[in-house]
Amino acid sequence: AQTVTQSQPEMSVQEAETVTLSCTYDTSESDYYLFWYKQPPSRQMILVIRQEAYKQQNATENRFSVNFQKAAKSFSLKISDSQLGDAAMYFCAYRILSEKLVFGKGTKLTVNP
Amino acid sequence: EAGVVQSPRYKIIEKKQPVAFWCNPISGHNTLYWYLQNLGQGPELLIRYENEEAVDDSQLPKDRFSAERLKGVDSTLKIQPAELGDSAVYLCASSLRGGTGELFFGEGSRLTVL
Repeated sequence: AQTVTQSQPEMSVQEAETVTLSCTYDTSESDYYLFWYKQPPSRQMILVIRQEAYKQQNATENRFSVNFQKAAKSFSLKISDSQLGDAAMYFCAYRILSEKLVFGKGTKLTVNP
Repeated sequence: EAGVVQSPRYKIIEKKQPVAFWCNPISGHNTLYWYLQNLGQGPELLIRYENEEAVDDSQLPKDRFSAERLKGVDSTLKIQPAELGDSAVYLCASSLRGGTGELFFGEGSRLTVL
């Protein structure tokens, strides 16, 4: 079974600084998707960034970027120039297309002013 | 375009009472998911629909939970009877087959069982 592990239950960062959230996953598949979702206290889960496993280039969305290491099954999220609005739970997730999304347990990010 | 709509946002019931949650997915999304999220945890799949067919319900506790997706659009998740351990957030999500792989989530329904 596919599993997703987030080893950092909580992280904190100073406003304007950079923070990296870790994620590893276990799969025997070669073609899949990886995601980082953000869940603010209002609870709605929103997509931060996605990565297709067949793409070697790391995805980037404005201040958010990933470090995708397929052989190591690692998928970390880097948030640059952290803002107060980045404070939330961050979930790493894995999906084989046409199947379910499997989540990690999440990392609570606190941004200190 | 409207997102995934869920209701109610909050529900408080006594144990052994029934409860139902409703979800309206994004228009045109053929796949619908119900996830259970316990406090401080990641969501876990309860059931996945492709149109009106439940294609993955292996994690749905069928003794007390039921779900339906009539006409392949809206869906209802029911618990009867509710137990104290059912207190959680029930998330609905939808996705488009052949799309980007992304799931779109509703705001969730928070259930408290007393």
